[in-house]
Amino acid sequence: DTAVSQTPKYLVTQMGNDKSIKCEQNLGHDTMYWYKQDSKKFLKIMFSYNNKELIINETVPNRFSPKSPDKAHLNLHINSLELGDSAVYFCASSLRTGGRAGELFFGEGSRLTVL
Amino acid sequence: GDSVTQMEGPVTLSEEAFLTINCTYTATGYPSLFWYVQYPGEGLQLLLKATKADDKGSNKGFEATYRKETTSFHLEKGSVQVSDSAVYFCALMGIYNQGGKLIFGQGTELSVKP
Repeated sequence: DTAVSQTPKYLVTQMGNDKSIKCEQNLGHDTMYWYKQDSKKFLKIMFSYNNKELIINETVPNRFSPKSPDKAHLNLHINSLELGDSAVYFCASSLRTGGRAGELFFGEGSRLTVL
Repeated sequence: GDSVTQMEGPVTLSEEAFLTINCTYTATGYPSLFWYVQYPGEGLQLLLKATKADDKGSNKGFEATYRKETTSFHLEKGSVQVSDSAVYFCALMGIYNQGGKLIFGQGTELSVKP
C-alpha cells in the first residue's frame, strides 16, 4: 500500500481551466502539506494542514485553494490556470506539526502542464 | 529568515568515487537537518537526518554530521554506485517554525557513470 498517494500523476490542460489534485495518506499522520517543485527542481512549501486546520499559507495566489475533508486527505484545487502554474506538485505528511515535526513522507508528485 | 545553500550541480562522478555535497544553513537555534533524495520520476525520500549538534546521520553508505560551529551538514559517501544517480536536497526544519515547514536547498543533481 502506498503511504502517500496523489492523483492524477500527470495533468495537461489549457490556460484558464480549473483542475484538482487529490492526496491521501494512510500513515495516520496529523499533518499534511503541498509543495511545489519548479522546472529547476526548487521545492517550496505552499500549504500545511494539521488535523484539517490550515497552519501555513505561504503567500500562494488565492486561485489555489486547499481542502482537507479529514486528516487523511488534502486536496488542491486550482482555478483559472496560468502558464506559470506548470510544475510538479508534491503532497506530503508528517506525524506531528511544528518545529519537531520530524520526517516528511512525500507522494510521487503530480506533474501539471498548462498550455 | 531560515535558509539552506547547497553546492550547485550537476556533479558527475565515476563509479566508486568519493562523494561530497556541501550544505550550509542559516537558522535560529538548533534546527533539525535532513538530506532527501529524488530518483528520476519519483517523489522525495528521506535519506538521513540529524536533530542536534554533532549528531551523525547515516543510511545506505551516506553520512552527514551536524556541525553547529560551521552551520554545515555536508553529505558524503565513500564509494558511489550508478544507482546513486539522483537529485539530493539538503533541508532544515526550524525549531520555532509553525506547521512543520521544511526549507530546502536548491538540490544537487548527481550522475554516476560506470
